[in-house]
Amino acid sequence: AQSVTQLGSHVSVSEGALVLLRCNYSSSVPPYLFWYVQYPNQGLQLLLKYTSAATLVKGINGFEAEFKKSETSFHLTKPSAHMSDAAEYFCAVSRGFGNEKLTFGTGTRLTIIP
Amino acid sequence: NAGVMQNPRHLVRRRGQEARLRCSPMKGHSHVYWYRQLPEEGLKFMVYLQKENIIDESGMPKERFSAEFPKEGPSILRIQQVVRGDSAAYFCASSLSGVFQETQYFGPGTRLLVL
Repeated sequence: AQSVTQLGSHVSVSEGALVLLRCNYSSSVPPYLFWYVQYPNQGLQLLLKYTSAATLVKGINGFEAEFKKSETSFHLTKPSAHMSDAAEYFCAVSRGFGNEKLTFGTGTRLTIIP
Repeated sequence: NAGVMQNPRHLVRRRGQEARLRCSPMKGHSHVYWYRQLPEEGLKFMVYLQKENIIDESGMPKERFSAEFPKEGPSILRIQQVVRGDSAAYFCASSLSGVFQETQYFGPGTRLLVL
């Protein structure tokens, strides 16, 4: 069985500061990992995904994530937060075999302080 | 190029009524997934469908819930005799062809409130 754990249901950072959202995974097979963002009253939008090519994955809106097998982590970062980054962020995992269901974490709500 | 469409966006039902949630995948997509998001929780997989076939319904409650994706028209998630515990946001996602590592694109969701 696969699962992801997101540490911190709420994170607040100042505008211009580093954003770090944590995600740890558990998987019996090499995982495929995703970060999605959800703005209020909208659906989920894919930020980036890890599919075993490069361990450092760059996504949209200046976000990136690094796959660390030794730490079973896939943390999301952005060097400088912008007000428009305020949203809920979900980490998800799949086995990646064919088209697979996603298993999501409980989400982290990011607040940006002006 | 329209994204995944879901309607209604908000649905209010009284206990015992039926709820029908519709999902139109992106143009050309033939794979649909339904997820449920309970308050303060992450999304949970319910069912995966291709046109006219249910591929994986391992996350679907055994009773009162059903899903279909007909050859023509949207995918429908049907909840019979709704109870208060069914109140949640229901999201649909679609993908193109089911190949390896393909991205799922999500709709805006239907917020179901059971009174």
